[in-house]
Amino acid sequence: GQQVMQIPQYQHVQEGEDFTTYCNSSTTLSNIQWYKQRPGGHPVFLIQLVKSGEVKKQKRLTFQFGEAKKNSSLHITATQTTDVGTYFCAGRRSGGYQKVTFGIGTKLQVIP
Amino acid sequence: KAGVTQTPRYLIKTRGQQVTLSCSPISGHRSVSWYQQTPGQGLQFLFEYFSETQRNKGNFPGRFSGRQFSNSRSEMNVSTLELGDSALYLCASSSTQTGGTEAFFGQGTRLTVV
Repeated sequence: GQQVMQIPQYQHVQEGEDFTTYCNSSTTLSNIQWYKQRPGGHPVFLIQLVKSGEVKKQKRLTFQFGEAKKNSSLHITATQTTDVGTYFCAGRRSGGYQKVTFGIGTKLQVIP
Repeated sequence: KAGVTQTPRYLIKTRGQQVTLSCSPISGHRSVSWYQQTPGQGLQFLFEYFSETQRNKGNFPGRFSGRQFSNSRSEMNVSTLELGDSALYLCASSSTQTGGTEAFFGQGTRLTVV
């Protein structure tokens, strides 16, 4: 079945440092979504990427979708304490009703 | 507009019992998906319903079942509870098939099996 691998599982950074999490799928994806879950909260949608090679930015966050549509990354520039949380990618294969597969998530801790 | 509502928020059950969790999606959303979240396992897909039909099912035993009503509200049931079923159960609703558009998650139901 489809697998979505996400690394790293944990990341501690000093406030102001950059952070990147990566997702790799075993199959070509129709699209990929990114979610953020704050401690004690529920996942909140950040963005969806659909096109091969797509790059989208949200302030300090940069999202990329690979050319082969099998990998994606989320990069945060100059982390802040408000960035703390777990970041999940979620991919869906193309064709019919395909289920969404979530990566295991990357838990980001920002040290002030 | 109101968000996704899950009830109850917390549950404590004994091994062998059964439990029913409820999810009310955002008004107008026809797709509801359920996930089990445990530390170290991330979000495991349980099932997806769209317009009262189960569209997809994850790799969970038959003790886990669900349904969706005509008003798009969904329930999931777990029978013969095991200790390993202790988890946060999240439902998510979206306007189209899950994964096609933004999914909105509820606060979750924290199930503890003792």
